[in-house]
Amino acid sequence: DIQMTQSPSSLSASVGDRVTITCRASQNINNYLNWYQQKPGKAPKLLIYAASSLQSGVPSRFSGSGSGTDFTLTISSLQPEDFATYYCQQSYSNPRTFGQGTKVEIK
Amino acid sequence: EVQLVESGGGLVQPGRSLRLSCTASGFTLGDYAVSWVRQAPGKGLEWVGFIRSKPYGGTTEYAASVKGRFTISRDDSKSIAYLQMNSLKTEDTAVYYCTRTCANCYSGVRPFDYWGQGTLVTVSS
Repeated sequence: DIQMTQSPSSLSASVGDRVTITCRASQNINNYLNWYQQKPGKAPKLLIYAASSLQSGVPSRFSGSGSGTDFTLTISSLQPEDFATYYCQQSYSNPRTFGQGTKVEIK
Repeated sequence: EVQLVESGGGLVQPGRSLRLSCTASGFTLGDYAVSWVRQAPGKGLEWVGFIRSKPYGGTTEYAASVKGRFTISRDDSKSIAYLQMNSLKTEDTAVYYCTRTCANCYSGVRPFDYWGQGTLVTVSS
């Protein structure tokens, strides 16, 4: 199975801050990497697919980069509605696996 | 509007069975694979398994933690997918989400692009 490791597990940031979350795969997954946002009590929402493609309707302050084993999700200017937990997920092989999540909290 | 609605969750004793349903609307379910993903209370996301669309064989894949106990099926004529859960354990307690993937979309990467609201399954005596 492919292990997905996110860092940090949590972070505190202020509105307007630039936030970066990293995700590392235990083996090469090319660009088969997706990012999701989850707010409390809600279903996850797709933000980024194929490592760097923005899902329709997602604000442009979100961006993704990386290929192979190392990936990054960046929020260029954190907004109040961005406080949530973020998960990376590989769709390269079965079983599909998720990172453990990164909780973005208000400083 | 694309919608996935799960139903069938509830409280069940260890060792018993439960069947969840995922009803789709706003799109043709038969064109998509359907996955189930669960989330234990306060924990992260865990993929449970999926069923491919009929053009891709309609076959299934499962996580090791549920293989042999859980079965995913689909009735495209009714736009419903199912998760049959047998021999339930306390560690199966979670919110269960259904989600869809498109084989030929999103550059072939197959993300989970739409999710249901989830249904809570509690396994306890």
